[in-house]
Amino acid sequence: EVQLVESGGGLVQPGGSLKLSCAASGFTFSSYSMNWIRQAPGKGLEWVSYIGSGSSTIYYADSVKGRFTISRDNAKKFLYLQMNSLRADDTAVYYCAKDGGIGLSWGQGTQVTVSS
Amino acid sequence: EIVLTQSPATLSVSPGERATLSCRASQTVSSYLAWYQQKPGQAPRLLIYDASNRATGVPARFSGSGSGTDFTLTISSLEPEDFAVYYCQQRSVWPNTFGQGTRLEIK
Repeated sequence: EVQLVESGGGLVQPGGSLKLSCAASGFTFSSYSMNWIRQAPGKGLEWVSYIGSGSSTIYYADSVKGRFTISRDNAKKFLYLQMNSLRADDTAVYYCAKDGGIGLSWGQGTQVTVSS
Repeated sequence: EIVLTQSPATLSVSPGERATLSCRASQTVSSYLAWYQQKPGQAPRLLIYDASNRATGVPARFSGSGSGTDFTLTISSLEPEDFAVYYCQQRSVWPNTFGQGTRLEIK
């Protein structure tokens, strides 16, 4: 069974940094692309970033480009999202999601709140 | 960026009745469209992939159709657990955008 467990969320001041982690189990992590997707309070889903299985292909949403960095450690089966220069509109639940090639399997999410 | 427009924003239907949800793309996505269900406080769950294929474990009352720019998710006979928010996602080009969601509520 696919299990994705996010951690690292919390309260941070505007301009601050936070690093999210996602621990993967139940599948061959190194064979799958991964994504970060976020959901602001009471809002819809917003794709944030994608990383290919070997880290050679990476994409970012325009809203986070230059501020967020996605990475992965296939040996440890972890996905990461380094978030810098955080803004109030980055406040959201952040989900990591396995890309099965046909659709996404999701973790339960971690809350990030940017506020002074 | 491809914009997905879902309609209606809210759909009120009685249990046992049929629900039809729409997703329209601003340009063709071929059949690279997925549907997700999200219940309050939960992560989304994949229902339909490639426009018309049910994901593993999804009941047969859920069906998807369409190609190009117009897609439909149909729930043939609503069960109490089906009342949730539904999102479409195009997987044709980057960024893989989501629609804004349709809230399916009990009438």
